[in-house]
Amino acid sequence: SSELTQDPAVSVALGQTVRITCQGDSLRSYYASWYQQKPGQAPVLVIYGKNNRPSGIPDRFSGSSSGNTASLTITGAQAEDEADYYCNSRDSSGNHRGVFGGGTKLTVL
Amino acid sequence: EVQLVQSGAEVKKPGESLKISCKGSGYSFTSYWIGWVRQMPGKGLEWMGIIYPGDSDTRYSPSFQGQVTISADKSISTAYLQWSSLKASDTAMYYCARVYFSSWYVLLDYWGQGTLVTVSS
Repeated sequence: SSELTQDPAVSVALGQTVRITCQGDSLRSYYASWYQQKPGQAPVLVIYGKNNRPSGIPDRFSGSSSGNTASLTITGAQAEDEADYYCNSRDSSGNHRGVFGGGTKLTVL
Repeated sequence: EVQLVQSGAEVKKPGESLKISCKGSGYSFTSYWIGWVRQMPGKGLEWMGIIYPGDSDTRYSPSFQGQVTISADKSISTAYLQWSSLKASDTAMYYCARVYFSSWYVLLDYWGQGTLVTVSS
């Protein structure tokens, strides 16, 4: 299967911890990458691989994986973290293809 | 500094052709895949396909195979996405991104600013 499933919306109180999940068969073989997209902006890579952050991404962002589920955790959510989050993985066919999840809208209360 | 700069917004009529571009700079353009991603209004990201400018190896998502053509001109570090006959349903923001595959993951680490394509009669 080449589908990744995310919850459409999640909310978190300011300063609390939130986990955004992504499920799919390809995640049994590959790690997810995670992207943050704010309104009117291009996506930004925030986590990739086992748990790697690109330069400039705050360490409150972390990633994990178990079975067919990948998770993005924000520890101590800030107002500026309110955005859409997308997971992405290699296609389980093994070819050089990728697939995105449907996205999760994170609201920081 | 790695940059991907896309061509400007387009307004087209159904049935017209279109080619949009993505110019890379600040890195070896022939050593990384370039991918195209569609985002329809109010919707999520969709993987369209990728090209390796070093040898023009191109891979399409099944949903986009035959619907668009991805190409590249390595002499000017530019990738392209083109349509031969646009439909209203092609109205979307289109992003290019630098793509890296490892044995364990794929990542899109640098993104263009997006090109808005509007198809309307």
